[in-house]
Amino acid sequence: SQQGEEDPQALSIQEGENATMNCSYKTSINNLQWYRQNSGRGLVHLILIRSNEREKHSGRLRVTLDTSKKSSSLLITASRAADTASYFCATDGGNTGKLIFGQGTTLQVKP
Amino acid sequence: DTAVSQTPKYLVTQMGNDKSIKCEQNLGHDTMYWYKQDSKKFLKIMFSYNNKELIINETVPNRFSPKSPDKAHLNLHINSLELGDSAVYFCASSQRSLGAYQETQYFGPGTRLLVL
Repeated sequence: SQQGEEDPQALSIQEGENATMNCSYKTSINNLQWYRQNSGRGLVHLILIRSNEREKHSGRLRVTLDTSKKSSSLLITASRAADTASYFCATDGGNTGKLIFGQGTTLQVKP
Repeated sequence: DTAVSQTPKYLVTQMGNDKSIKCEQNLGHDTMYWYKQDSKKFLKIMFSYNNKELIINETVPNRFSPKSPDKAHLNLHINSLELGDSAVYFCASSQRSLGAYQETQYFGPGTRLLVL
């Protein structure tokens, strides 16, 4: 089965609220990445966290990584309607030389 | 300027036809990829080239043949198209993909293929 599993599959919140998405993976990793995909568009890289890091921030984004639990979370604070998109985690698949994507969380932010 | 571009954006064709999708990146990256995204948004790697050399070849029917004329271009040719080939195909590039370490990947806008 695929490396990354995301939870929840869909999330609907009001503008201004925080959104949290979780990702679990199976094998050891060197890094984990989060990507955003707007409807009908390609994926855009958001943030990369290395296996020796526990938390990383980028603007309104906060990513945590727990390698003991093989899980990561993406927090978007003060969400905006423009944050409406699908969010994917991707891992390097434990020395396979390729990125393996989760199935994504579809986030809807209502104005 | 578009970093990773793909043509065409939409492709509607009959079963049994042969079609090609082209990809170009102007980021100076060494590695390029083809991904397939199905209707459930599941994104799966198909191929990867590093400096024109095939380095990843997933379990993909041999009707799919990638070609990299130079490190800035990676094309995908599909023979004898089938209904199940309908999907969105994404090209991506990264600075390097050597061994386990994966750099950030930059994606094209996708090619929406519909086989009738």
